[in-house]
Amino acid sequence: QKEVEQNSGPLSVPEGAIASLNCTYSDRGSQSFFWYRQYSGKSPELIMSIYSNGDKEDGRFTAQLNKASQYVSLLIRDSQPSDSATYLCAVKLEGGSQGNLIFGKGTKLSVKP
Amino acid sequence: NAGVMQNPRHLVRRRGQEARLRCSPMKGHSHVYWYRQLPEEGLKFMVYLQKENIIDESGMPKERFSAEFPKEGPSILRIQQVVRGDSAAYFCASSANPGFRNTIYFGEGSWLTVV
Repeated sequence: QKEVEQNSGPLSVPEGAIASLNCTYSDRGSQSFFWYRQYSGKSPELIMSIYSNGDKEDGRFTAQLNKASQYVSLLIRDSQPSDSATYLCAVKLEGGSQGNLIFGKGTKLSVKP
Repeated sequence: NAGVMQNPRHLVRRRGQEARLRCSPMKGHSHVYWYRQLPEEGLKFMVYLQKENIIDESGMPKERFSAEFPKEGPSILRIQQVVRGDSAAYFCASSANPGFRNTIYFGEGSWLTVV
C-alpha cells in the first residue's frame, strides 16, 4: 500500500514566524510532489510542485525534496493569519496514471496574530 | 477564464436514491479526474477520464459508482442507491496535456449528504 504521511497537527505558529510542514512517502520511485492548501469547506489549491532534489522557492514558500530520505517539506516564511489552513502533500506514484495522486491527510496550520 | 466548474455544490439525497455530480473541465483541458474526501480524511483518487474513455478507474468502488465523460457535455459521476457512507465532498480536477509534470486543478467540489 503506497502511502503519504503527514502530521495531522494542528501546528500553531505566531504571526511572522516560519511554519515547517513535513511529509514522507513510501514509494521510492515517485517523481512528482505537490503541496496543496485547503481552507475549510473549500477545494485544494496548488501552492508548489517539486520534481528534483533540493529547494524550490516561490515567494514566501519553499519546498524541499530529499528523494533518498523520501521526504518533502514546505516552509512558509513570515506566516500570516491568512495562511491558516490545511496543507496537503501529494505524490504521483511511479507508473501511476496522470492525476492519480496519493494525498496525505493533511496538516492543519494555525497562525496566531 | 473559467476554472473547473462543478455542480451541484451541495446535494442531499435519501438512502437508496441516485446522486449525479457534474464537472466541466477548465477551458482547453481534456483530462478529468474525480476525487472523494471523506470527513477528516485525505483526498482519495477515484477515476481518470478523457473524452469518451475511462483511463484509470483503480480508485472507484466496484459497485454503485460509475463515471463518464461524453464527447459533448460535462463529466458525470453517478452514485446509485446511495448509503450514508457516501456522504463526502467530491472534487473534480482537470489538466491539459498528460506529461511528467502534469498539473491538475481542482473545482470547488460537490458536497453530498445522504440522510
